[in-house]
Amino acid sequence: QSALTQPASVSGSPGQSITISCTGTSSDVGPYNYVSWYQQYPGKAPKLMIYEVNNRPSGVPERFSGSKSGNTASLTISGLQADDEADYYCSSYTASSTLVFGGGTKLTVL
Amino acid sequence: EVQLVESGGNLVQPGGSLRLSCAASGFSVSRNYMNWVRQAPGKGLEWVSIIYSGDETYYADSVKGRFTISRDNSKNTLYLQMNSLRAEDTAVYYCARDGGVRGVIDYFDYWGQGTLVTVSS
Repeated sequence: QSALTQPASVSGSPGQSITISCTGTSSDVGPYNYVSWYQQYPGKAPKLMIYEVNNRPSGVPERFSGSKSGNTASLTISGLQADDEADYYCSSYTASSTLVFGGGTKLTVL
Repeated sequence: EVQLVESGGNLVQPGGSLRLSCAASGFSVSRNYMNWVRQAPGKGLEWVSIIYSGDETYYADSVKGRFTISRDNSKNTLYLQMNSLRAEDTAVYYCARDGGVRGVIDYFDYWGQGTLVTVSS
């Protein structure tokens, strides 16, 4: 199972919006709404930001939103803040009853 | 409060074995889907294995036949037995609770702090 495809890096200025894409296949992202997004700071455990494509856990700001079209899921962060600077990973359930992560995207807040 | 605490990480020679533990508190491992996820140094996340509440287990192809996930309900602890270890198994290993209930690997709402496994001679 190949990793989902994410851009290696994205950047934006405070207050701006950015979108991170996560491209899979017809065996993972495409047929399932079990796409999640995680935020990870260096040396820390990942934190769940979005689950089941577009649901936010309690405590995650509304600035974080998710969507999906076909084989590609997206995470949008609006009103960028300095502490949004982190690595972001998507994940999806697969037709093989396994889970696949994206390669990760480093978000830089300029 | 939900808490996951991993232990057992160490330096081990190629071909060796190691057992990781993940002590859970604030919920029951027997009633939840529990996972192991690893992260090689400087690399991305890689899903390793899941054990469902009904004891069904699944593994990533990279560890299938070498790793075994299990749990001790009386100790509320999750385990990962790792055999025939390779250099490419070097990683921080996290246990994570799956927040879903639909019989699929859904999302990980709680993570441990991780334990480092280094495979080297």
